[in-house]
Amino acid sequence: EVHLVESGGGLIQPGGSLRLSCAASGFTFNTYSMHWVRQAPGKGLEWLSFINSNSATIYYADSVKGRFTVSRDNAKNSLFLLMDSLRAEDSAVYYCTREHLIPFDYWGQGTLVTVSS
Amino acid sequence: EVVLTQSPATLSLSPGERATLSCRASESVDNFLAWFQQKPGQAPRLLIYDASNRATGIPDRFSGSGSGTDFTLTISSLEPEDFALYFCQQRSYMYSFGQGTKLEIK
Repeated sequence: EVHLVESGGGLIQPGGSLRLSCAASGFTFNTYSMHWVRQAPGKGLEWLSFINSNSATIYYADSVKGRFTVSRDNAKNSLFLLMDSLRAEDSAVYYCTREHLIPFDYWGQGTLVTVSS
Repeated sequence: EVVLTQSPATLSLSPGERATLSCRASESVDNFLAWFQQKPGQAPRLLIYDASNRATGIPDRFSGSGSGTDFTLTISSLEPEDFALYFCQQRSYMYSFGQGTKLEIK
């Protein structure tokens, strides 16, 4: 069974850094591209970042370009999101999701990031 | 950036009725359009991908249509569990989501 489990969220002060992780199981992780998507409280979904299966292709939304860095460790079936220079507007639930032949078919349950002093 | 505009923002219907949700793209996304359902406190759930393909396990009362810039999600006969938020998403040029349609019980 496919599982995606995010972790690493929490309360962080503005300007701080946080590293999110997404642990994958139940599928061949190194054949899938992965994404990060976030959702601010009571708001819609915002796509953040894409990384292909071998990390050769990476994309970011303009809102996080230059502040967020996506990476993966295929040996450990893990996806990461390093978030620097955090702002209040980065407060959201952060989801990881996968893409291969069928895009965004499985999602994790999300990890909550709160940026506040 | 491809902007997706969903309408209506809120749709009030009764169980058994037909629901029609719209998603319009600011430029052509070919058929690279997906629909998701989200319930409170849950992650989004893929319903339809590539405009008209139902995802695994999705009941056949859900159907998608359209291409280019205009897309529709139709729920043929609403069940109580269908009242939720619905988002469209494109992957033709980068990725983006619509702002959502809330389907509520009338």
